[in-house]
Amino acid sequence: GESVGLHLPTLSVQEGDNSIINCAYSNSASDYFIWYKQESGKGPQFIIDIRSNMDKRQGQRVTVLLNKTVKHLSLQIAATQPGDSAVYFCAENGIIDSWGKLQFGAGTQVVVTP
Amino acid sequence: IAGITQAPTSQILAAGRRMTLRCTQDMRHNAMYWYRQDLGLGLRLIHYSNTAGTTGKGEVPDGYSVSRANTDDFPLTLASAVPSQTSVYFCASSVQGGSQPQHFGDGTRLSIL
Repeated sequence: GESVGLHLPTLSVQEGDNSIINCAYSNSASDYFIWYKQESGKGPQFIIDIRSNMDKRQGQRVTVLLNKTVKHLSLQIAATQPGDSAVYFCAENGIIDSWGKLQFGAGTQVVVTP
Repeated sequence: IAGITQAPTSQILAAGRRMTLRCTQDMRHNAMYWYRQDLGLGLRLIHYSNTAGTTGKGEVPDGYSVSRANTDDFPLTLASAVPSQTSVYFCASSVQGGSQPQHFGDGTRLSIL
């Protein structure tokens, strides 16, 4: 059931501004990272991914930055729109075993205000 | 529209009952996964399958079983449900296992009383 007291960090952004969502990953051996968007009542939706041989990748209105030195990943959303309101979370492949299953963060709630 | 279909969308179940959550994909993906999502904990992998006929344990497999008789279907069974299994369950698939985007269904919201 629900755990009392646990809640996601929240980023409040004004419509039209740029959003930056941050993620610290744990495994220095991870070589694949991915961002998801999850709207209320829906499953996670793939946004963009990046491999460790890159430090930046751009998509439509989104940019992912990877800093392997400090194990930090960020997602930038340009010109944030009301439809961008959702929970965003990152995942790393972790290299737990040869198969490298994804490990997910808990997420950040993005609220777009008019 | 191609994608992942999960059923049921929600269910209330008495403790001790057996329950199977269904997952079907029509993308011909080799790998499939089951996750549970609990508030503040993010997605946790229950079981996975690299290809039809093979399955593996994830982070939280106890109390759950899966089968992968064919490429498209990956059912998750709770043999004897307990209240701690109250959660939202997501099925996902990817072309291959590992470092690839996983595509998710819209989940099954399960409450165990």
